[in-house]
Amino acid sequence: AQSVSQHNHHVILSEAASLELGCNYSYGGTVNLFWYVQYPGQHLQLLLKYFSGDPLVKGIKGFEAEFIKSKFSFNLRKPSVQWSDTAEYFCAVNAENTGFQKLVFGTGTRLLVSP
Amino acid sequence: DVKVTQSSRYLVKRTGEKVFLECVQDMDHENMFWYRQDPGLGLRLIYFSYDVKMKEKGDIPEGYSVSREKKERFSLILESASTNQTSMYLCASINRGLGNYGYTFGSGTRLTVV
Repeated sequence: AQSVSQHNHHVILSEAASLELGCNYSYGGTVNLFWYVQYPGQHLQLLLKYFSGDPLVKGIKGFEAEFIKSKFSFNLRKPSVQWSDTAEYFCAVNAENTGFQKLVFGTGTRLLVSP
Repeated sequence: DVKVTQSSRYLVKRTGEKVFLECVQDMDHENMFWYRQDPGLGLRLIYFSYDVKMKEKGDIPEGYSVSREKKERFSLILESASTNQTSMYLCASINRGLGNYGYTFGSGTRLTVV
């Protein structure tokens, strides 16, 4: 069965610090990869996605992620975080052969950015 | 703007009650999903549906059932609510091709079973 691991459960940063959140998945075939963000009191929003092509993908609000197939990883990065980035971040994977477009989510990383 | 609407933002129910959580999408999406979100556990798939009257179990279907009589509506049913079903419930939909946007999520229903 597919699984997604987010090793950092809680991250605390100061404004302007750089961010990298880890995501590893366990499926060996073709995958589609996503990062979602949930701001306090709001619904999940798509931050960025990877389907194919350039493994470095750029999303909204200055976020980017790099797909490294050999490492089964899709880490999220941002060079300089802002207080408004305080949120919970979820990595998700869809394995193309599972059908029905099921997404398997990681357990999430809570990011707190202090001003 | 496309929408997934969950009928209740907060619900409080008693143990043993039958509970209905409703989800409606206006995007003509074929696939709809119910997840529950718990701290430290992320989102776990309860049930999904890929067509009217069709349903498939997800990873944690025990204690739940679903109904999809119309394409736009997907209901999650707790036959006899228990305190361990206290959680945030999220509905999502997607068109069959995955498209460019992944899932569209509703704003969630926070259910408390007392």
